[in-house]
Amino acid sequence: AQTVTQSQPEMSVQEAETVTLSCTYDTSESDYYLFWYKQPPSRQMILVIRQEAYKQQNATENRFSVNFQKAAKSFSLKISDSQLGDAAMYFCAYRSSPNSGNTPLVFGKGTRLSVIA
Amino acid sequence: NAGVTQTPKFQVLKTGQSMTLQCAQDMNHEYMSWYRQDPGMGLRLIHYSVGAGITDQGEVPNGYNVSRSTTEDFPLRLLSAAPSQTSVYFCASSSRQGSYTFGSGTRLTVV
Repeated sequence: AQTVTQSQPEMSVQEAETVTLSCTYDTSESDYYLFWYKQPPSRQMILVIRQEAYKQQNATENRFSVNFQKAAKSFSLKISDSQLGDAAMYFCAYRSSPNSGNTPLVFGKGTRLSVIA
Repeated sequence: NAGVTQTPKFQVLKTGQSMTLQCAQDMNHEYMSWYRQDPGMGLRLIHYSVGAGITDQGEVPNGYNVSRSTTEDFPLRLLSAAPSQTSVYFCASSSRQGSYTFGSGTRLTVV
């Protein structure tokens, strides 16, 4: 079974600075998807970024980017120019390729990010 | 386009009571899942479905039942509520290769 590990329960960053959240995963599959979800105090789960394992290029969405290291099974999230609205719980998640049949998300335990003004 | 709709948003149950958490999506997604979120535990999979008529157990299925009679609906039934089922519950749906979209969650308290 796949597992996702987020080793940083809490992180903090100064406003306008850059922060990196870590995520590692364990799988024997070669084709899969990885995600970062943001959960603000409203508790809504918001998709931040998505990475397909077959793509070598790291995904980027505005101030959010990932460092995907497939061989190391590492998938970190970098937030640039941090804003107060970035304060939230961040979850790393794994999904098997549909060709594997079993495709619900597997989540890490989350990293709580605080942004200091 | 409503996305994923969960009802109710809040619920208080007495131990032993049963109830159904409703989940509906209007995106014609094949895949639907139920998760529970507890402090420090992340989101854990309860049950999931890969299409109408097909369901399977996740990591923490005990005490819960699901059915998928239509593509749109995926209700979660608590058979006999226990305090250990106090949690926040999320429903999510996805197309075959898409990203999962989540409902707004249900906060359930069992007293």
